[in-house]
Amino acid sequence: GAGVSQSPSNKVTEKGKDVELRCDPISGHTALYWYRQSLGQGLEFLIYFQGNSAPDKSGLPSDRFSAERTGGSVSTLTIQRTQQEDSAVYLCASSLMIYNEQFFGPGTRLTVL
Amino acid sequence: AQTVTQSQPEMSVQEAETVTLSCTYDTSESDYYLFWYKQPPSRQMILVIRQEAYKQQNATENRFSVNFQKAAKSFSLKISDSQLGDAAMYFCAYRRGNTDKLIFGTGTRLQVFP
Repeated sequence: GAGVSQSPSNKVTEKGKDVELRCDPISGHTALYWYRQSLGQGLEFLIYFQGNSAPDKSGLPSDRFSAERTGGSVSTLTIQRTQQEDSAVYLCASSLMIYNEQFFGPGTRLTVL
Repeated sequence: AQTVTQSQPEMSVQEAETVTLSCTYDTSESDYYLFWYKQPPSRQMILVIRQEAYKQQNATENRFSVNFQKAAKSFSLKISDSQLGDAAMYFCAYRRGNTDKLIFGTGTRLQVFP
C-alpha cells in the first residue's frame, strides 16, 4: 500500500513569510509525528498526535511553529514568520498505534532565504 | 535527559566486507528501546533493526546485527557482506519505554566502495 507522503518536496521561501507543510500518513495509522533534520544533525522531535488525544507539542522550538491534524488523518505543520534557522528537512512519520514502528515520509526540504 | 552519541561522522567499507558503526547512549531508565535507521539520498528513513533493552540476546536481521552492551550503554551496528545499496546515512535512536518520541544521534555516513 501507499506509504507516508509529504508535500511539497522542496520549498523555498523568503524570511518573514509563512509556510505550510503537509503530511499524509499511512491509512489507518493513528499516530503521527513531525521531526526536523537540520544540516549535519540528527532528527529532532517536534510534535506528536495520537488519535483524539491532545497532541504532545513539547518539541516545538517556538510559538511560530504549530501543527494540526484534521479528521485523524492529514496533518499540516505551519511555520509563521520564517527565519533562516528554520531551514531544514521536515520529516513526518506515522505508526499504527503508539509504540509501534514509525514509518517515515520523504520529507520536505525548507530553505529560507 | 537522554542523549544518543554517534562518534563516527563518516565510515567507508569495501563491498563484501564487514563494517561496524558505533553508538552510545545515556539514560537512567531501565525500560527502553534502541533502533538503527537508514536514510538513503531519497531522505526516507528506513528501520533497519530494533533492540528491546530487556532482551539480552542481540537482534539480527539478515546481514545486519547489533552488539548491545547494556552496562556500557553501547549499541553498535554490524553490517556483513556490505553491498553498494548499503551506502546511506545511518542513525541510532532511543525511545523510552512509556513514550513515543525517538531521540536520534547525529548520524554516520557510510560509503561502500566496489
